[in-house]
Amino acid sequence: AQSVTQLGSHVSVSEGALVLLRCNYSSSVPPYLFWYVQYPNQGLQLLLKYTSAATLVKGINGFEAEFKKSETSFHLTKPSAHMSDAAEYFCAVSAGDFGNEKLTFGTGTRLTIIP
Amino acid sequence: NAGVTQTPKFRVLKTGQSMTLLCAQDMNHEYMYWYRQDPGMGLRLIHYSVGEGTTAKGEVPDGYNVSRLKKQNFLLGLESAAPSQTSVYFCASSYSGLDSNQPQHFGDGTRLSIL
Repeated sequence: AQSVTQLGSHVSVSEGALVLLRCNYSSSVPPYLFWYVQYPNQGLQLLLKYTSAATLVKGINGFEAEFKKSETSFHLTKPSAHMSDAAEYFCAVSAGDFGNEKLTFGTGTRLTIIP
Repeated sequence: NAGVTQTPKFRVLKTGQSMTLLCAQDMNHEYMYWYRQDPGMGLRLIHYSVGEGTTAKGEVPDGYNVSRLKKQNFLLGLESAAPSQTSVYFCASSYSGLDSNQPQHFGDGTRLSIL
């Protein structure tokens, strides 16, 4: 079984400040991990993914995430927040066998940027 | 390139009515998925398909049926709509493969209200 926990359903940061969105996972096998972003009234877009290559993963829009096996974490960061980063962010884990690839999503973190 | 297209975008139903949501993808993806998104609960998998002619139950399948008669289409049916099925429904698709790291591509969602 696999699960994802996102700490903090709402996070507010000032424009230009560091963004840190937390994600912890549980998986019985080596996981693949994803961050998706959802803008209002839109579907989810892939931000970045971890697939057992480099532990520090760079994504679009200046975001990056670091896989830490010892902490079972995959936190999302961005050095300097921009107003356009306001959205909802979902962490997801995939650890299914071949033919059973399914994503398990966290409950999401809504990011607000303060001007 | 259209990607994943969902129709309709909005719908209001009365309790007991039936309807079908259509998802179409033009990326030749093998895998297709239906999720529902509810406040504070993230995305939950309803049903999914690993290829034409196949379907499988996800996390919350009760009250829904699906069909995958053509590779590019995945239909979600509500036989007798209930207020608890008021939600935003997302379709997604992805490549198949021997690993689980293929990202899912999402449609823009269908907002369904059951009165």
